[in-house]
Amino acid sequence: GESVGLHLPTLSVQEGDNSIINCAYSNSASDYFIWYKQESGKGPQFIIDIRSNMDKRQGQRVTVLLNKTVKHLSLQIAATQPGDSAVYFCAEIMNRDDKIIFGKGTRLHILP
Amino acid sequence: ETGVTQSPTHLIKTRGQQVTLRCSSQSGHNTVSWYQQALGQGPQFIFQYYREEENGRGNFPPRFSGLQFPNYSSELNVNALELDDSALYLCASRTGTEETQYFGPGTRLLVL
Repeated sequence: GESVGLHLPTLSVQEGDNSIINCAYSNSASDYFIWYKQESGKGPQFIIDIRSNMDKRQGQRVTVLLNKTVKHLSLQIAATQPGDSAVYFCAEIMNRDDKIIFGKGTRLHILP
Repeated sequence: ETGVTQSPTHLIKTRGQQVTLRCSSQSGHNTVSWYQQALGQGPQFIFQYYREEENGRGNFPPRFSGLQFPNYSSELNVNALELDDSALYLCASRTGTEETQYFGPGTRLLVL
């Protein structure tokens, strides 16, 4: 079915610590996964993506891990900053011309 | 910024009215998708346009319709507005060869 879910609706992290946001997806045929960041009043902002033939991809301060065996996706943010406060969505696409299926999102709250 | 613009930013309508939302895609992007995001939820796919033709549709009734123009800008039309149509409407664009979609800031529609 169409289901991309997140384990935790809210995550509070101390500033400077690393953040890990988790996501479970249900469609084993999905070929492409994306993490989006959405700040209040704005549209989703692309953070990082990963294809199903990879298990790890790194960007600037962010890493996405994909475990296809258990259909799990995670986003790691290093040295979390106040500007990282937002709702994070994992999303999946079955193929290039297909729609994006979003989960409900995890709100990341940064503690001073 | 993604280069995707939407207008208007906010809109208030009454039940039964019709509304048109507009989107200008990022330069070079020929594929535009529309999403509805209810408060506290992830975006839900409405439909996608490629080269002025609808080539994918989500689970939305026919009163949700769209257009894409030769310059790849797009419109979302909603007829016979219902209270549940109150949401943030997002437009996203991409090239025809890549999966990554870039979102605009959205139009927040309130139906009274």
